[in-house]
Amino acid sequence: DIQMTQSPSIVSASVGDRVSITCRASQSISSWLAWYQEKPGKAPKLLIHKASNLEDGVPSRFSGSGSGTEFTLTINSLQPDDFATYHCQQYSSETRTFGQGTKVEVK
Amino acid sequence: EDQLVESGGGWVQPGGSLRLSCAASGFTFSAYTMNWVRRAPGKGLEWVGKISSSSSSIKYADSVKGRFTISRENDKDSLFLQMKSLRDDDTGLYYCTKEDYYHGMEVWGQGTAVTVSS
Repeated sequence: DIQMTQSPSIVSASVGDRVSITCRASQSISSWLAWYQEKPGKAPKLLIHKASNLEDGVPSRFSGSGSGTEFTLTINSLQPDDFATYHCQQYSSETRTFGQGTKVEVK
Repeated sequence: EDQLVESGGGWVQPGGSLRLSCAASGFTFSAYTMNWVRRAPGKGLEWVGKISSSSSSIKYADSVKGRFTISRENDKDSLFLQMKSLRDDDTGLYYCTKEDYYHGMEVWGQGTAVTVSS
């Protein structure tokens, strides 16, 4: 099975900061990677699909990059609404795998 | 609007069984692969398993293989997760998700809580 390693586990940041989260796959997944945002008490929300494609309605300060085994989620100019936990997930293989999650917290 | 509503969660003793349901609306349920995903307390999201649109392909995470069974009834727009031999570490919030081939898990339910404890 494909393993996904996400880092860091916690990011302490301030409004206006640029935040980057990395996700590494144990083998190539091409661009079959999604990013989700999760807030307490709410279901996860799909932000990015196919590694770099923003879902409709997702602010342009979010961006995704990478292919193969290394991927990055970047949040430019962090906003108060962006403090949340972010998860990567591969959908290349017959099974699915999530990263361990990254919590973006207030510095 | 696409919507998923889970039900059937609750408290069960270790070794017990529970059946979760997920009711879909707002989209052509029979056209989509569906997943179950869980979130244990203090842990990240864990994929549980998925079922193809026609039920021809069903895959499970190693942690639940042989204990959990996923099924669906397309004529009733419903997804199910039969859980047996439940363990403490099966405790968590269980989500059903609609998966699009390109987009990934594009719709999530609100989750149903399962507590396994003696």
